[in-house]
Amino acid sequence: KQEVTQIPAALSVPEGENLVLNCSFTDSAIYNLQWFRQDPGKGLTSLLLIQSSQREQTSGRLNASLDKSSGRSTLYIAASQPGDSATYLCAVEGNAGNMLTFGGGTRLMVKP
Amino acid sequence: DAGVTQSPTHLIKTRGQHVTLRCSPISGHKSVSWYQQVLGQGPQFIFQYYEKEERGRGNFPDRFSARQFPNYSSELNVNALLLGDSALYLCASSLGGGAGETQYFGPGTRLLVL
Repeated sequence: KQEVTQIPAALSVPEGENLVLNCSFTDSAIYNLQWFRQDPGKGLTSLLLIQSSQREQTSGRLNASLDKSSGRSTLYIAASQPGDSATYLCAVEGNAGNMLTFGGGTRLMVKP
Repeated sequence: DAGVTQSPTHLIKTRGQHVTLRCSPISGHKSVSWYQQVLGQGPQFIFQYYEKEERGRGNFPDRFSARQFPNYSSELNVNALLLGDSALYLCASSLGGGAGETQYFGPGTRLLVL
């Protein structure tokens, strides 16, 4: 059974800092890995999707890496802004279908 | 084009009652998945439907059921509600529900069981 863990559970940083969020998964037989953003009480917004054959994906100030063999992914946020404050969720998709297994999320607060 | 829509946005029920949540996928999408997100945790997969057939089921009791209609909209039903069923219920749609397809999430229905 796939298990996804995110560390840290919560993070508070001053504006402008670069930061790294971590995600680990137990079964390396994944189809892809995805990072989502969730604002309080809202649905999920997809940020980056990395296919199992890829090592990283970039979008603006965000960079996600994937090391499938070690079961790890990181989300790097450059020059953080107060608007980045949200919960960040990591999810993996197995080879059996479209079902996503999520981590518990990292709650990020960026202080002005 | 409208995104995934869910109704109602909020709902309050008491223990033992029954609830029906609704989801309309993005136009052209034939697959709908349901997830439960308890406060402070990540979403957990409940069901996936494609072309009105159940394609996948998560580790949830039989009190949870779902169906998909010919127009690809979907309902999630929960019987004999428990306090622990209080959560944000998320619906996601994709074109065919196959591996690797992008899933688009709706805003969710927040259910509170008293």
